[in-house]
Amino acid sequence: EAGVVQSPRYKIIEKKQPVAFWCNPISGHNTLYWYLQNLGQGPELLIRYENEEAVDDSQLPKDRFSAERLKGVDSTLKIQPAELGDSAVYLCASSPGFRAVGELFFGEGSRLTVL
Amino acid sequence: DAKTTQPTSMDCAEGRAANLPCNHSTISGNEYVYWYRQIHSQGPQYIIHGLKNNETNEMASLIITEDRKSSTLILPHATLRDTAVYYCIVRVATGNQFYFGTGTSLTVIP
Repeated sequence: EAGVVQSPRYKIIEKKQPVAFWCNPISGHNTLYWYLQNLGQGPELLIRYENEEAVDDSQLPKDRFSAERLKGVDSTLKIQPAELGDSAVYLCASSPGFRAVGELFFGEGSRLTVL
Repeated sequence: DAKTTQPTSMDCAEGRAANLPCNHSTISGNEYVYWYRQIHSQGPQYIIHGLKNNETNEMASLIITEDRKSSTLILPHATLRDTAVYYCIVRVATGNQFYFGTGTSLTVIP
């Protein structure tokens, strides 16, 4: 079974440029998460989807961050424009769904460096 | 969700048992305890979870106190590859919220 796939693995951009990250969750997983992880810190939730619906986006900085999960499968996280402080690892995770006491499966993350 | 408290860092000799404590004194009756670990430059990896009873799998054992206010993750024979940051999380059974703290950085020493 394929795991959570993220791309790109690494991205270096200059500040004020846009950037997008893509995530393909495990097949059949209804719940998808985007986390932000700063160096030396634990992952922080940015947004959680149940199928196509964003059910928890309270921590997403909506002035520059946006996310979508069309058709309830793949998801894209976008930053426009990027700032120096956005340098971090962006993790995508998926889980089976609302009623399942299942674990969270993570991708390897997308490491963003903003110069 | 209940918050968890973990020591910032721990060392363990290779081949010995690593015992990682977690305090979750405000845990509710329907909240599970989950443990994840994160090896450098990788995404967090699920280890084990439990509600009331002690649990064991091929990776580790989870010991939950009777009052459920704390738990201990046990790696029975630590290897160098177990060097990682270990996160303790509590999660509502019917909810999908996973909130991570700063975890415990475990270093296995040769």
